[in-house]
Amino acid sequence: DTAVSQTPKYLVTQMGNDKSIKCEQNLGHDTMYWYKQDSKKFLKIMFSYNNKELIINETVPNRFSPKSPDKAHLNLHINSLELGDSAVYFCASSSIAGSEQFFGPGTRLTVL
Amino acid sequence: QQQVKQSPQSLIVQKGGISIINCAYENTAFDYFPWYQQFPGKGPALLIAIRPDVSEKKEGRFTISFNKSAKQFSLHIMDSQPGDSATYFCAASIVDSSYKLIFGSGTRLLVRP
Repeated sequence: DTAVSQTPKYLVTQMGNDKSIKCEQNLGHDTMYWYKQDSKKFLKIMFSYNNKELIINETVPNRFSPKSPDKAHLNLHINSLELGDSAVYFCASSSIAGSEQFFGPGTRLTVL
Repeated sequence: QQQVKQSPQSLIVQKGGISIINCAYENTAFDYFPWYQQFPGKGPALLIAIRPDVSEKKEGRFTISFNKSAKQFSLHIMDSQPGDSATYFCAASIVDSSYKLIFGSGTRLLVRP
């Protein structure tokens, strides 16, 4: 069983479109995260949720809106996609804030 | 103060050699220092982690050395194998209060056969 799963794996879309990425974890963790990995492989936190509550919004544009329907799911919706949004987006989860994080396989978003 | 600086950016090692990757941090409140391994097309996976109450932790061929006074920590991969070729990230956080990992910029390791 996959611990942290994301769909889709690849997402190719036009500028201006709206898209969503889904994330699910079956580890029973309370804390979930979204990270962005740019073309230079740099990993940066975007959002952190604890028990469905937003904890961190790391100066991410308002076009990005995370939604946590329950503790096992953290989805990412992106409005009005821009070229600079092209990256790999990783979902992660942990049992304790700041401790070992388990990452999903990533979603490669390409905005044309 | 939130940065974690990692070097080198890339590293080429012969099979059987020792790979060494270094990281430095500024925030003395950090108390959890993991290393992640990432293969192409995959998510980062935890390799080994250390808390600041110990100076060294070893798991198989992987060792973290931690120098609290210098605010530095490093990953040593002994007997490096071609299968170790991947990108390695150091990171830091504050357990129980910081809801994020601060990652270094990554080191691309290539182990030649």
